[in-house]
Amino acid sequence: QKEVEQDPGPLSVPEGAIVSLNCTYSNSAFQYFMWYRQYSRKGPELLMYTYSSGNKEDGRFTAQVDKSSKYISLFIRDSQPSDSATYLCAMSDSGGYQKVTFGTGTKLQVIP
Amino acid sequence: GAGVSQTPSNKVTEKGKYVELRCDPISGHTALYWYRQSLGQGPEFLIYFQGTGAADDSGLPNDRFFAVRPEGSVSTLKIQRTERGDSAVYLCASSITGTGQFFGPGTRLTVL
Repeated sequence: QKEVEQDPGPLSVPEGAIVSLNCTYSNSAFQYFMWYRQYSRKGPELLMYTYSSGNKEDGRFTAQVDKSSKYISLFIRDSQPSDSATYLCAMSDSGGYQKVTFGTGTKLQVIP
Repeated sequence: GAGVSQTPSNKVTEKGKYVELRCDPISGHTALYWYRQSLGQGPEFLIYFQGTGAADDSGLPNDRFFAVRPEGSVSTLKIQRTERGDSAVYLCASSITGTGQFFGPGTRLTVL
């Protein structure tokens, strides 16, 4: 069993929809949680960086962490065709210099 | 630009050859990471540097892989006696404490 599980999709939604992406994990030591967006043939781009449980909002993006359930989510409001990409969840047990464990990524397509 | 840069962007080599991949981190970032990403997978940790020293090399798959960062800035990932299974995108990232890691565009390595 992988430490981080993520549905690979693909997920197709119409423009303007609310998108929900999520990951589960097994390592209770994880405390720092990230979401990255990766366009085809590009490097991952950091979207959200959160610590411990709770919500964090940035524009159209909201990240949620539920450590008791070992479950994290990313919500995208008013989705746009430009949001079409692969979304990777990632996590680590330290906010300092530590290796990060990634999910496999969910491919999202927003249809105009 | 001020982002992480990686060269070359693409590298095609023959089985058994030696390759070097270069990473220039964001100025001022003391931590540098190498990851490997296979098709349809998330990035897989290889090694990270704190300054000039390798603080964690637990992800290097075997002794054919080696990385250096002699002056605490630019890093080189070296692969000896390449195998077809080494074909992947090699990603470099850098960070400072309290932030996520910022990735470069990657080097796409193809071993024929």
